[in-house]
Amino acid sequence: DAKTTQPPSMDCAEGRAANLPCNHSTISGNEYVYWYRQIHSQGPQYIIHGLKNNETNEMASLIITEDRKSSTLILPHATLRDTAVYYCIVRGSGNTGKLIFGQGTTLQVKP
Amino acid sequence: KAGVTQTPRYLIKTRGQQVTLSCSPISGHRSVSWYQQTPGQGLQFLFEYFSETQRNKGNFPGRFSGRQFSNSRSEMNVSTLELGDSALYLCASSRTERDTGELFFGEGSRLTVL
Repeated sequence: DAKTTQPPSMDCAEGRAANLPCNHSTISGNEYVYWYRQIHSQGPQYIIHGLKNNETNEMASLIITEDRKSSTLILPHATLRDTAVYYCIVRGSGNTGKLIFGQGTTLQVKP
Repeated sequence: KAGVTQTPRYLIKTRGQQVTLSCSPISGHRSVSWYQQTPGQGLQFLFEYFSETQRNKGNFPGRFSGRQFSNSRSEMNVSTLELGDSALYLCASSRTERDTGELFFGEGSRLTVL
């Protein structure tokens, strides 16, 4: 599975959009981009995933560049409860339960 | 529906002891994975089970083992505990073997080794 690079930390003002970048320059054609987050002392929570098209759900939007070498997770209106560590993960479709977590981005939403 | 349930939530052991952790997946989920989370190493994959068979194994010593039962419930065992085994152990479940969707994580079992 391809490796990912994320900034270690980011701040965001409450009510503003949070844009979390991820670099995955070695991604291969059949690998998906997944985003999970982990709020302190809880288990990771799935947010969204995509292959090459942009995706949106009730939690967030995922923008994947055309060359698929990078992506951005967008939380449209960040709240204090969105303060968490956000993990960008790349994996193929055949390894269902195995995720390779990096260090993630610690997002601090401030009032 | 009920989420992934892990027991016990907290436990304290001493070096040399062994421990068994339990995970009940979401009803209908057949794949169960285990992860270890420590401040130094972050989240690391331990192993994955599907239909009572181990599908994947991470880079952990043989002291770490697991199994899955016919009802998809899973247990992991750590023998001869070391101080470095102190960690949050997380279980995750998913529906099928080749599901490209999400993993559902439990709240974890926090193990402290003294």
